[in-house]
Amino acid sequence: KAGVTQTPRYLIKTRGQQVTLSCSPISGHRSVSWYQQTPGQGLQFLFEYFSETQRNKGNFPGRFSGRQFSNSRSEMNVSTLELGDSALYLCASSLRLAGEWGSYNEQFFGPGTRLTVL
Amino acid sequence: KQEVTQIPAALSVPEGENLVLNCSFTDSAIYNLQWFRQDPGKGLTSLLLIQSSQREQTSGRLNASLDKSSGRSTLYIAASQPGDSATYLCAVRPSGGYQKVTFGTGTKLQVIP
Repeated sequence: KAGVTQTPRYLIKTRGQQVTLSCSPISGHRSVSWYQQTPGQGLQFLFEYFSETQRNKGNFPGRFSGRQFSNSRSEMNVSTLELGDSALYLCASSLRLAGEWGSYNEQFFGPGTRLTVL
Repeated sequence: KQEVTQIPAALSVPEGENLVLNCSFTDSAIYNLQWFRQDPGKGLTSLLLIQSSQREQTSGRLNASLDKSSGRSTLYIAASQPGDSATYLCAVRPSGGYQKVTFGTGTKLQVIP
């Protein structure tokens, strides 16, 4: 069974540009979460999607947005990039949404997308 | 607001030693707790998941325990090997509705041959 895949693996952008990152969850998984990881702030939750709906959102500005498609694939978009957006962006998938009956919600992570903003 | 702390931030041990990594959380109303390892520049690899109703989980040389009342989880690694060198993170998912996962700050482990 293929794991979580993220594309692209590396990106270099300049300030003011926008970027779209993609995540394909494990087959059959319906929940996708996004995280930002930086040396200073550690791993921070961005948002979680389930059934094409955003179910939870972290404390990030509106420049960060995402969506989920009917096949559970997800994209996140960052507009008007700032130097501080340089980070490793990680996507995680799980079988169900937290709270669903019988759900253990084990998260499986992709390799990440390394974004560098110059 | 849930806060998750991992102490120590870094740990260096000789190969073969048994070791314990700690994870503390401030709100005991959790749904589950998951332990991960992360190699430099890579994604996270799931090690163990403990549901709130469980006290411990085991996988190979790894054993994770959970004590909700004291807000603590420990990851025990038996007979450590150089390949265990990585950063270990714990993540807590609170109970009650659509709650976000909070990660600890991580413990960077180095096992010296």
